[in-house]
Amino acid sequence: DVKVTQSSRYLVKRTGEKVFLECVQDMDHENMFWYRQDPGLGLRLIYFSYDVKMKEKGDIPEGYSVSREKKERFSLILESASTNQTSMYLCASSGTSGGSTDTQYFGPGTRLTVL
Amino acid sequence: KNQVEQSPQSLIILEGKNCTLQCNYTVSPFSNLRWYKQDTGRGPVSLTIMTFSENTKSNGRYTATLDADTKQSSLHITASQLSDSASYICVVRLGGYNKLIFGAGTRLAVHP
Repeated sequence: DVKVTQSSRYLVKRTGEKVFLECVQDMDHENMFWYRQDPGLGLRLIYFSYDVKMKEKGDIPEGYSVSREKKERFSLILESASTNQTSMYLCASSGTSGGSTDTQYFGPGTRLTVL
Repeated sequence: KNQVEQSPQSLIILEGKNCTLQCNYTVSPFSNLRWYKQDTGRGPVSLTIMTFSENTKSNGRYTATLDADTKQSSLHITASQLSDSASYICVVRLGGYNKLIFGAGTRLAVHP
């Protein structure tokens, strides 16, 4: 069974704080993704990574950065949290780089509130 | 513009009844379409996947259909159970790219 875990289920931070969201997968997947999910909107891709130390911008990268030092771990960093970054953050991983039918497996999500 | 639209936004049905959720897309080129189920407070879990040549796929009480000509898909749930209460998300993969286009989801509530 694929397992994707995220470091926190709920997080409350203050405006201007630096925030780290961690994601770990145990299936040796090449691809990892960070999304945010807001009510009434579909999941939106923030960043993704095809390999260690590789990163690509998604649709909404502004205000975020990522780090992938090890294959199993993908971190999302909010350099200076703002209230409009209050959201549910979902991490996903998939194997078979470039395959069109590979499933993305999602973690349980981190609900971040920025006050 | 590549878009995925789902309807209805929300739906309430009684336990044991059937229901159908709709997904219309304008994604091109098309690679495949997947339905995910997302329980409250959880990440999405894949239910079915269909490529261009497939027009129906079942997973237990869930049956997905795809009409690639009209760019429409539906997810039919038979004999609903309380555990079917969740959001159902339609996701289309852009052909030739490792990019997914997500619908906003349909929130289903099954009442006893």
